[in-house]
Amino acid sequence: EAQVTQNPRYLITVTGKKLTVTCSQNMNHEYMSWYRQDPGLGLRQIYYSMNVEVTDKGDVPEGYKVSRKEKRNFPLILESPSPNQTSLYFCASSPGQGVSYGYTFGSGTRLTVV
Amino acid sequence: SQQGEEDPQALSIQEGENATMNCSYKTSINNLQWYRQNSGRGLVHLILIRSNEREKHSGRLRVTLDTSKKSSSLLITASRAADTASYFCATVSYNQGGKLIFGQGTELSVKP
Repeated sequence: EAQVTQNPRYLITVTGKKLTVTCSQNMNHEYMSWYRQDPGLGLRQIYYSMNVEVTDKGDVPEGYKVSRKEKRNFPLILESPSPNQTSLYFCASSPGQGVSYGYTFGSGTRLTVV
Repeated sequence: SQQGEEDPQALSIQEGENATMNCSYKTSINNLQWYRQNSGRGLVHLILIRSNEREKHSGRLRVTLDTSKKSSSLLITASRAADTASYFCATVSYNQGGKLIFGQGTELSVKP
């Protein structure tokens, strides 16, 4: 089944403890991105990647890192999480930047930083 | 920032009725997409309409696009309780790294 897989689904952590949220897609998509969803603020892009080894900042990159060493994986790294990073996170992928491509989203990771 | 507004913000209907949601956007587009999100879950891509298309169908979904008014509508016919979800329109900003710009969403409740 074509899908984007995120792990973990839920995570509670303490301030300052480094964590990684994994994202993997099995559709050979070139484009991958991370969003966070917050009440009243909607979905905001954190980082995106056009292809392997090509990443760039979205609207809210502060406090996050990403890497794209392989086409299928795009992990989101929080080096020193803070409570304001408590949010619902989504990874998404698409074949590329063509005008006919929709995006496939993962099921989400609900992160709580205490 | 959000691309535009969705209307209504919330909609409650009975099973079997039709549901219409509207979306407005601000900039020129290549396409407009609609997504569904069940509570706390991931977004599911429903349908994409290109800027040179005026109407598109997929099963019980019908999407229209009026680029002169910068607006789109999503019609769900013969709604079911399983259609209960939030619905978002989204445009793509290709000069901002392919970022999806979402509307605020319409929360649809279909009562059995």
